[in-house]
Amino acid sequence: EAGVAQSPRYKIIEKRQSVAFWCNPISGHATLYWYQQILGQGPKLLIQFQNNGVVDDSQLPKDRFSAERLKGVDSTLKIQPAKLEDSAVYLCASSKQGNTIYFGEGSWLTVV
Amino acid sequence: AQSVTQLDSQVPVFEEAPVELRCNYSSSVSVYLFWYVQYPNQGLQLLLKYLSGSTLVKGINGFEAEFNKSQTSFHLRKPSVHISDTAEYFCAVTLGANAGGTSYGKLTFGQGTILTVHP
Repeated sequence: EAGVAQSPRYKIIEKRQSVAFWCNPISGHATLYWYQQILGQGPKLLIQFQNNGVVDDSQLPKDRFSAERLKGVDSTLKIQPAKLEDSAVYLCASSKQGNTIYFGEGSWLTVV
Repeated sequence: AQSVTQLDSQVPVFEEAPVELRCNYSSSVSVYLFWYVQYPNQGLQLLLKYLSGSTLVKGINGFEAEFNKSQTSFHLRKPSVHISDTAEYFCAVTLGANAGGTSYGKLTFGQGTILTVHP
């Protein structure tokens, strides 16, 4: 079974530029999560989707971050404009409803 | 809201020695508890989870953890570590079903403990 796929793996951008990350969950997993992991900290949930609907986006900085999950499968997370403090690993995860979640390898963002 | 405190940021040990990584949580309602491992440049992999039942849970790679409700702890242990266990370990918590939790994925993580196994 293929795991959670994420791209790009690494991205370096200048502050005030924009960036987008893509995630393809495990087949059949209705729930999808985006986590932000800043160096030296544990991951923090940004947004949770159930199929193509948002369940929880209370910790998503909506002035600069946006996410969508069209057709309830793939998802994209966008940051515009990026700030230095957005440098982090962005982890996508998926699960069947009410079950263990599986993480992708992450997309590493450096904002300079 | 729940919170997790991992008491050690770094734990160095020698190969074949036992290890304990400490985790305390704070919650006024029932919770589910997890330990994840993160190898360099990789995502998180589930080691084990406590949902209910026996307070001693066994996971992959020879790890086990004990849920202690009175001490609000969920320490991770391994009797004999290998070089390959070198990684960062995260304790995480989510609301239990009895407390209205509907997803194992809405996790609150600790700060992480870097385990370094020396030859």
